[in-house]
Amino acid sequence: DAGVIQSPRHEVTEMGQEVTLRCKPISGHNSLFWYRQTMMRGLELLIYFNNNVPIDDSGMPEDRFSAKMPNASFSTLKIQPSEPRDSAVYFCASSSNSEKLFFGSGTQLSVL
Amino acid sequence: GEDVEQSLFLSVREGDSSVINCTYTDSSSTYLYWYKQEPGAGLQLLTYIFSNMDMKQDQRLTVLLNKKDKHLSLRIADTQTGDSAIYFCAEGDGNNRKLIWGLGTSLAVNP
Repeated sequence: DAGVIQSPRHEVTEMGQEVTLRCKPISGHNSLFWYRQTMMRGLELLIYFNNNVPIDDSGMPEDRFSAKMPNASFSTLKIQPSEPRDSAVYFCASSSNSEKLFFGSGTQLSVL
Repeated sequence: GEDVEQSLFLSVREGDSSVINCTYTDSSSTYLYWYKQEPGAGLQLLTYIFSNMDMKQDQRLTVLLNKKDKHLSLRIADTQTGDSAIYFCAEGDGNNRKLIWGLGTSLAVNP
């Protein structure tokens, strides 16, 4: 398996623009997580899905953030409109009924 | 609320042992994890320990758990330059998937 695949690897955008981050989990994994990593706050869990259903989105910072998982092999995290304080590395991770997470390589987002 | 704390930096010489420490607050933790993050990459599960164990050894890695003091450590024997990375401690209850993460310890290995 190729592991968790995220795209794009880097995204530079201007404030106010819509940003869409994509994730393909490991085949057969039924849990998917979106994390944000910053120097100041470390790793923050934004949302996680189990069997494509959002279980806990309490970490989503505000209504500008939304996440979807239309099927078992694809998820998106959307920020609209984006702001400079959203600049961070966004990680997707998947697991198979456990806390042993497999992380993607992340998307480095810069909002100017 | 639950919290996991780690020292932010550790510097060792190649060939020495590294010990990375972590303290946690949640006494209901079932599993404690060590993840490794290399530059520009995602986190990778290194090892984990079940809360009813005191020690776990896996090749160069030794995990020690003091449940009374809520203290976890990761010892890397014969540290190599390839071990330079950020090491994250995390705790979980085994069920709800919401791991509590430390801020990570940046390990620098000097030749």
